[in-house]
Amino acid sequence: NAGVTQTPKFQVLKTGQSMTLQCAQDMNHEYMSWYRQDPGMGLRLIHYSVGAGITDQGEVPNGYNVSRSTTEDFPLRLLSAAPSQTSVYFCASSSTGGHYEQYFGPGTRLTVT
Amino acid sequence: RKEVEQDPGPFNVPEGATVAFNCTYSNSASQSFFWYRQDCRKEPKLLMSVYSSGNEDGRFTAQLNRASQYISLLIRDSKLSDSATYLCVAVPTGTASKLTFGTGTRLQVTL
Repeated sequence: NAGVTQTPKFQVLKTGQSMTLQCAQDMNHEYMSWYRQDPGMGLRLIHYSVGAGITDQGEVPNGYNVSRSTTEDFPLRLLSAAPSQTSVYFCASSSTGGHYEQYFGPGTRLTVT
Repeated sequence: RKEVEQDPGPFNVPEGATVAFNCTYSNSASQSFFWYRQDCRKEPKLLMSVYSSGNEDGRFTAQLNRASQYISLLIRDSKLSDSATYLCVAVPTGTASKLTFGTGTRLQVTL
């Protein structure tokens, strides 16, 4: 049981490049979400999903896309990377949403130059 | 004003001390509250849920004050291993999927 896994662990992009951050969970959780964490800003919700085929925007969705074709996977796509997207990205899952324990992946450290 | 506010610290305390953190929330419709612990360069992990009646887990006690809209975390007999950042979380009623995290309070326990 691996829990929540994220790849890659580290990534450096140039401005304008696109990439996909991968997130997978093996706990059969319906709810998954993406956060970014910046110094002094805390964790901010980017997008979330309450089940396969259902996604919605969080607090800071601009510049990011998500899809949820399976229960297990919830990739986050950066459309055209900007230096402002330099951050640590965490994926999380839970069985039934925000009122229950969130299980976080180990994070992806992204630098955009 | 941020929806969830915490004193960033750092709180520097000697081993064995008692330390308390407060966290205020602005959305009176918040229904569920949690404390998460985050070690340096690691992911957050649930420390404890916060119930209306207050709850205790070993050396840790969490309290909720709805009238004043704050939650607290008390750590007794601090250990070196308690050094971490503590994040409070509020979840509003009706928007079950949108958690709001505080920026975290850093605790450093020293010898």
